[in-house]
Amino acid sequence: EPEVTQTPSHQVTQMGQEVILRCVPISNHLYFYWYRQILGQKVEFLVSFYNNEISEKSEIFDDQFSVERPDGSNFTLKIRSTKLEDSAMYFCAISTGLAGVEEQFFGPGTRLTVL
Amino acid sequence: AQKVTQAQTEISVVEKEDVTLDCVYETRDTTYYLFWYKQPPSGELVFLIRRNSFDEQNEISGRYSWNFQKSTSSFNFTITASQVVDSAVYFCALRRITGNQFYFGTGTSLTVIP
Repeated sequence: EPEVTQTPSHQVTQMGQEVILRCVPISNHLYFYWYRQILGQKVEFLVSFYNNEISEKSEIFDDQFSVERPDGSNFTLKIRSTKLEDSAMYFCAISTGLAGVEEQFFGPGTRLTVL
Repeated sequence: AQKVTQAQTEISVVEKEDVTLDCVYETRDTTYYLFWYKQPPSGELVFLIRRNSFDEQNEISGRYSWNFQKSTSSFNFTITASQVVDSAVYFCALRRITGNQFYFGTGTSLTVIP
């Protein structure tokens, strides 16, 4: 099973600040995803990333969010101006196969707390 | 639109009891994928199973079994002889053939009492 690490495990920030969450797959993968889970709620899709560009995004993924692979390895999610409602667990996921075929493997998550 | 419903928000069972977690989904697609993930107290999401919509054969893996009924749009998950380590939140999810996103249910929190 592919391994995915995420840093930091917990991030505390002030409202209005920018945060960058990082995802590091252990081996090469084609597809990357970000999901979020507000405490006690379901996991919600944010964005998928393939071949260095966004392939799909949800309505949650508005202009304050952005993703990139700055060095071809790390996959980052940036929130430009955090809001209280951005407090959630953010999961990175990867898949190695063709879209719609393989399961996604999730990282351990980053807990974001916005004060 | 896709929708996954897990009507059971919380279930408690005594160790060694069998327990079934329900999952009902909605989609207009004729081909799709269904998944179950486990989220233990530590928070990570652990993949359990993927099922293709064109394969209705039920699957058993150790104490876990899955019953896929396309006619009723259900994909139920049964744990036989439950153990304390099974205590977790279990999520059912649907994925379309086109597109990448998962549509998760709201999860069922299972507590196995020793």
